[in-house]
Amino acid sequence: EAQVTQNPRYLITVTGKKLTVTCSQNMNHEYMSWYRQDPGLGLRQIYYSMNVEVTDKGDVPEGYKVSRKEKRNFPLILESPSPNQTSLYFCASSPPLAGGRDEQFFGPGTRLTVL
Amino acid sequence: AQSVTQLDSQVPVFEEAPVELRCNYSSSVSVYLFWYVQYPNQGLQLLLKYLSGSTLVKGINGFEAEFNKSQTSFHLRKPSVHISDTAEYFCAVYSSASKIIFGSGTRLSIRP
Repeated sequence: EAQVTQNPRYLITVTGKKLTVTCSQNMNHEYMSWYRQDPGLGLRQIYYSMNVEVTDKGDVPEGYKVSRKEKRNFPLILESPSPNQTSLYFCASSPPLAGGRDEQFFGPGTRLTVL
Repeated sequence: AQSVTQLDSQVPVFEEAPVELRCNYSSSVSVYLFWYVQYPNQGLQLLLKYLSGSTLVKGINGFEAEFNKSQTSFHLRKPSVHISDTAEYFCAVYSSASKIIFGSGTRLSIRP
């Protein structure tokens, strides 16, 4: 089944404790992206990647890192989480050659709480 | 920078009534526009998209949208809603800088 998977689905952590949220897709998509969803703000793009080893900042990159060493994986890293990073996070991918200009397929989301 | 405005944060309608959810975007040379739906406690899925061609776009579940270049709008419509359409709806635009910009969302609630 074609899908985007994220792990973990739920995470409660404390300020300053490094964490990684994994994202994997099995559709051979080149474009991948991370978003955070906050009430009243919709989805805001954190980082995106056009292909392996090619990443760039979205609108809200502060406090986050990403890497793209393989086409299928795009982990989101919070080196020192803070309470304002409490949010619902979505990973998404988009078909080859579209560069993001086509439908995105979303993962199920990761609800992160930073105490 | 491109932006997307969803004018209504909440839209209550009665079952079987028509509905329109409004979306305006800032102008760009090329536009790629999308509507996504998020059912309670779920991820997002595509309702419909405008990439090029006909300005009237039909999507899943009886929804359609019209791309209006002169008014920079991409409003979503359905002639008769069901209880199952209760969800949050997001308009999105692909920007020329390879970024995706989402609107703040419209929560559609259906009254029996």
